[in-house]
Amino acid sequence: EVQLVESGGGLVQPGGSLRLSCAASGFTFSSYAMHWVRQAPGKGLEYVSAISSNGGSTYYANSVKGRFTISRDNSKNTLYLQMGSLRAEDMAVYYCARARIGTTYFDYWGQGTLVTVSS
Amino acid sequence: QSALTQPPSASGSPGQSVTISCTGTSSDVGGYNYVSWYQQHPGKAPKLMIYEVSKRPSGVPDRFSGSKSGNTASLTVSGLQAEDEADYYCSSYAGPSYVFGTGTKVTVL
Repeated sequence: EVQLVESGGGLVQPGGSLRLSCAASGFTFSSYAMHWVRQAPGKGLEYVSAISSNGGSTYYANSVKGRFTISRDNSKNTLYLQMGSLRAEDMAVYYCARARIGTTYFDYWGQGTLVTVSS
Repeated sequence: QSALTQPPSASGSPGQSVTISCTGTSSDVGGYNYVSWYQQHPGKAPKLMIYEVSKRPSGVPDRFSGSKSGNTASLTVSGLQAEDEADYYCSSYAGPSYVFGTGTKVTVL
């Protein structure tokens, strides 16, 4: 069974940092690009970041560029999102999602982890 | 990258059909046949319902169908059932990124 389990969310002060993790199981992790998508409370989905299957290529939305870093450890089947200089507008549920190499859709999503930015 | 435009709400009685539009630009919806649709129930993760404009993943009922014309994609849910009540989001590849729609809340009356 495919599973994506996010962790690492929590309360952080503005300007602070947080690292999210997404543990994958039930599939060949290294065969998939991985993505982070967030959803602010009561709002829609926003695309955040992506990393290629081997980690050699990354993408960031303008809203997080220079503040967030995506990475992966294929030996641990884990995806990461290092978030820095956090702002109130970064407060959201963060989902990790997978996309098979060569495809352009997210076929499995994790359950999400909530990041709260507040003093 | 601006969000794709969806109507905020749509509704129908059980057994009826509802169609949700998703309007973008030639840089996203109109430029690629890579539109997907996701269903999200409250407090749950999104679920893939349609990919590459009109293809259904295994396990998704054939009541769900997708299409595209120019810069606008559409999702049709036929034979509405109570469990179809949810938020629906379109998404398009916009090389090298992705853009999501504003979301549509579907209510089964």
